[in-house]
Amino acid sequence: GQNIDQPTEMTATEGAIVQINCTYQTSGFNGLFWYQQHAGEAPTFLSYNVLDGLEEKGRFSSFLSRSKGYSYLLLKELQMKDSASYLCAVLDSNYQLIWGAGTKLIIKP
Amino acid sequence: SQTIHQWPATLVQPVGSPLSLECTVEGTSNPNLYWYRQAAGRGLQLLFYSVGIGQISSEVPQNLSASRPQDRQFILSSKKLLLSDSGFYLCAWERTAISYNEQFFGPGTRLTVL
Repeated sequence: GQNIDQPTEMTATEGAIVQINCTYQTSGFNGLFWYQQHAGEAPTFLSYNVLDGLEEKGRFSSFLSRSKGYSYLLLKELQMKDSASYLCAVLDSNYQLIWGAGTKLIIKP
Repeated sequence: SQTIHQWPATLVQPVGSPLSLECTVEGTSNPNLYWYRQAAGRGLQLLFYSVGIGQISSEVPQNLSASRPQDRQFILSSKKLLLSDSGFYLCAWERTAISYNEQFFGPGTRLTVL
């Protein structure tokens, strides 16, 4: 079967750095997405990785290792508005998105 | 620019009642459209997707159905709601790009079945 694992919840301090991990086992791989979802709102796109390595976009970076079936989202200089759920999703061989359950990130002052 | 609308925003329905949720997209033509359901604290479950008018693919067997009567309109329906149908329903359209396909989500409908 297809499976995506993320921690259920993480807590970090304002101004700090946090890394949210995602591991996957899917039938084929055509890329990995990270989405941000604030409570009660729709998910919004953060990043896409299809090749190994680190993609940096401002305070957010996303890393991919295809051989390990592993990705992480790195958030720097955390702000209170970063409190949200972060969803990892993999595009499988049929170009269907397989979604993780999401990681709820709690930022404390 | 493209926008995606969903309504209603919230809905409380009794068990056994019918359901109709509507999603419309503006500013793009022939988009791939998706219906997802998200239970509290859970990930997104793909319910239906459509690559064109009248073309519906179902991912999960259930008492829900979907229709695409027009290019930019996607409707989720049920004849008789179950308690387990409660959740956050999200419609999304997919933009096909050179390197990857990105999905854009509507604001969602929060459905409570009592």
